[in-house]
Amino acid sequence: TQLLEQSPQFLSIQEGENLTVYCNSSSVFSSLQWYRQEPGEGPVLLVTVVTGGEVKKLKRLTFQFGDARKDSSLHITAAQPGDTGLYLCAGVFTGNQFYFGTGTSLTVIP
Amino acid sequence: DAGITQSPRHKVTETGTPVTLRCHQTENHRYMYWYRQDPGHGLRLIHYSYGVKDTDKGEVSDGYSVSRSKTEDFLLTLESATSSQTSVYFCAISTTGIGNTIYFGEGSWLTVV
Repeated sequence: TQLLEQSPQFLSIQEGENLTVYCNSSSVFSSLQWYRQEPGEGPVLLVTVVTGGEVKKLKRLTFQFGDARKDSSLHITAAQPGDTGLYLCAGVFTGNQFYFGTGTSLTVIP
Repeated sequence: DAGITQSPRHKVTETGTPVTLRCHQTENHRYMYWYRQDPGHGLRLIHYSYGVKDTDKGEVSDGYSVSRSKTEDFLLTLESATSSQTSVYFCAISTTGIGNTIYFGEGSWLTVV
């Protein structure tokens, strides 16, 4: 049983389109992180969200933590080929146990 | 840059041989982790450490052992490598407290033939 479900699993879009990736759980997290991973590299942290309802923006990327702290979304505006990669969410309950979603593989076609 | 260095970055080994992967951190974090990443399975925790000589098992610990004799070094050992252990291995550290976050090394690609 996967604690964190990500959707969609795969996404292929044209440059300039918008997209949203979802990370859902039935459990409440104390915080949640989003990462991007490119081939041959380790996951790189994009953002950490802590407060229910929190919205953070990173250039064209908008991250939202659900009010109940059970889910999160990542929205990309006007996607670019450089956004291509594997997007991972990770949740923390208590302490330092991190639980990862299976990832969303994004391809942005020029 | 989280100050994590993994070695070796790439290794090919034969079935049945022992293999040790090393993770070195420069920022004195208490928590260190070893994950493996495989298609269709995502990131799976092998072992983690919460201090010098303090380690615990993750969800896929069979066939692996770890040691942490110094804060900065966390070693992952495959006592007798098998083909099912062909994977990419990531070391990670985490901060503590509110908003604690995990940071990854660049990975070690292991092929067992």
